[in-house]
Amino acid sequence: KAGVTQTPRYLIKTRGQQVTLSCSPISGHRSVSWYQQTPGQGLQFLFEYFSETQRNKGNFPGRFSGRQFSNSRSEMNVSTLELGDSALYLCASSLGFGTPPYEQYFGPGTRLTVT
Amino acid sequence: DAKTTQPPSMDCAEGRAANLPCNHSTISGNEYVYWYRQIHSQGPQYIIHGLKNNETNEMASLIITEDRKSSTLILPHATLRDTAVYYCIVRVPSNTGNQFYFGTGTSLTVIP
Repeated sequence: KAGVTQTPRYLIKTRGQQVTLSCSPISGHRSVSWYQQTPGQGLQFLFEYFSETQRNKGNFPGRFSGRQFSNSRSEMNVSTLELGDSALYLCASSLGFGTPPYEQYFGPGTRLTVT
Repeated sequence: DAKTTQPPSMDCAEGRAANLPCNHSTISGNEYVYWYRQIHSQGPQYIIHGLKNNETNEMASLIITEDRKSSTLILPHATLRDTAVYYCIVRVPSNTGNQFYFGTGTSLTVIP
C-alpha cells in the first residue's frame, strides 16, 4: 500500500507570496493532520481534518489554513509568507478519528524556504 | 496529555540492543504510550504503542512498567539505519483529535 505523499517536496517563495501544499493520505485513511517543523520550535501541530471538516487546530495565525476534499486529499495554504514560515511541513494520515487510538503515518514533508 | 522526559542523546554499538527510556510519571489510566522516530529531514515514522501490557512488533518492543510511570523502547539488534531521533509521546484517544505533541526526543547514534 502506498504511503502518504506530499507535493511539492521543495519550494522556494519570497516574502508576501502565498503557497499551497498538497497531501494525499494512505488509501482508506480519512483523517489528515498537518505539522510544521523548525529547528527552533520542533514539531508543532497545525490542524487536522476529518470528513472534510477541520476538527482541531493548533496555535498558529490565520494565515495558515487548510481544507480536505471528498477523496480525503488535503491542501494547506499559507498566505502573506514571512521568513519565519521557512520550515518542513509534514502531513500525517490516520485511519479514523478519535477512539480507539489511531496512529498517524507521516509523509516525507515539503521543505519550504521563504526568502 | 502527560509530559514525557527522555535523555537528549544516547549511543549504541551496532548489533547490540538499544534501550531507550522514557519517563511519564503523570500518565493517567487511559493514556497510551507511543513511540515514533525521525531520521534526518524525513517524516516521523510510527514504531509502536501500548497501554499497559508489553508490546512487540517487527520493529521493536515496548516495555511499560507496572505502575506505568515509565517505559522502554527496545531495538533488539541496532543497525546504522536506526540512527534517528526517537520520540516518546503519551496521549489519550479523544474525539477532539488525533494530534500528537512531540517533545525534543532522544537522538540515538548507532556506532559501527
